[in-house]
Amino acid sequence: GEDVEQSLFLSVREGDSSVINCTYTDSSSTYLYWYKQEPGAGLQLLTYIFSNMDMKQDQRLTVLLNKKDKHLSLRIADTQTGDSAIYFCAESILRGNKLVFGAGTILRVKS
Amino acid sequence: DVKVTQSSRYLVKRTGEKVFLECVQDMDHENMFWYRQDPGLGLRLIYFSYDVKMKEKGDIPEGYSVSREKKERFSLILESASTNQTSMYLCASSPGGGRLGEQYFGPGTRLTVT
Repeated sequence: GEDVEQSLFLSVREGDSSVINCTYTDSSSTYLYWYKQEPGAGLQLLTYIFSNMDMKQDQRLTVLLNKKDKHLSLRIADTQTGDSAIYFCAESILRGNKLVFGAGTILRVKS
Repeated sequence: DVKVTQSSRYLVKRTGEKVFLECVQDMDHENMFWYRQDPGLGLRLIYFSYDVKMKEKGDIPEGYSVSREKKERFSLILESASTNQTSMYLCASSPGGGRLGEQYFGPGTRLTVT
């Protein structure tokens, strides 16, 4: 079946690195995504990685993909208070032509 | 700047009422989606549409219907609202051509059914 799992909560100090982890089940996923949701807002696409890549870096964001273990992570370097939000991992499902989202990880950044 | 708008931020309805949630996108996107978001459950897909007048059921379509008469507009209809439909409803759109996952979201409608 299709399932995406994430830890529910992460707390870090300002300036530290944050690592948010995600596991997925569908091996046919072509793309995997990270979305951010700030309070009172909809989701915003942060970054995505194609399934034949191991790593993608975009400024303070690094995405690591371990396809063998079906494990995806998002590292935020030099975490700022403005990074406090809910982060959603999502996988694209070819069958059904849709995204499956995890439950979201609440990131709290302490100053 | 890309924009997805939803007709209401907050809505309170009574059990049994018919409820319309409207979503409009200005990006000429082929795909449009309706999700509901509940704490601890993440986003669950209700319906999506990949073209005008086309619709596909998502994971939880029961109790909902949709309409897409124009490319920019996707409506979610609760035929007879029930208390278990109290939730945050999010609309999204994305381009076609294999870019389904690049979704742009509206701000959400928080619906309370009493």
